[in-house]
Amino acid sequence: GAVVSQHPSRVICKSGTSVKIECRSLDFQATTMFWYRQFPKQSLMLMATSNEGSKATYEQGVEKDKFLINHASLTLSTLTVTSAHPEDSSFYICSAKGGATDTQYFGPGTRLTVL
Amino acid sequence: EDQVTQSPEALRLQEGESSSLNCSYTVSGLRGLFWYRQDPGKGPEFLFTLYSAGEEKEKERLKATLTKKESFLHITAPKPEDSATYLCAVLLYNQGGKLIFGQGTELSVKP
Repeated sequence: GAVVSQHPSRVICKSGTSVKIECRSLDFQATTMFWYRQFPKQSLMLMATSNEGSKATYEQGVEKDKFLINHASLTLSTLTVTSAHPEDSSFYICSAKGGATDTQYFGPGTRLTVL
Repeated sequence: EDQVTQSPEALRLQEGESSSLNCSYTVSGLRGLFWYRQDPGKGPEFLFTLYSAGEEKEKERLKATLTKKESFLHITAPKPEDSATYLCAVLLYNQGGKLIFGQGTELSVKP
């Protein structure tokens, strides 16, 4: 149980385009989803927290107009990187938790490369 | 400032050589402490949650313990497939469920 999927697993795009990443909880209802970014050899950096049906809460220094987060249902959250630039290239990971648990279950991650 | 520190940064073991990873924390209002395993290019995999000082959890060759200031992840007779980065994270009260992660310990087990 507690499976979280992400799509796509890898994406390469041109500078200036937008990219959407999906995060789905497959076997539980995710009242809260989190989006992280991870650079090589570094730990996870929380970008934003989203609760189903509410606006996302962004961490300090994260541009909300650049990283659009939607959590429209209890099983799906999306992260859209708008007008991507090479410095946005990174490993993006989502996690999800149900209402009755503290445990976050992570997706497999999405490798974004912006050319 | 809330802080989570893991040590060592990297650990190389021979197969069968038991050891421990450390996660020390300085936080206000600890609700729980989590251990995850992360393989290269993948998302973290949940291992354990600990809530109270003195609590222990076991899974195969891994045992996690918790005190008021730190947590240990003991690895008994490790195998090469235990090689991974082990992440510790703390959950605080009234923070919307956010986890604060340590930098991780990269474990390499050689046959």
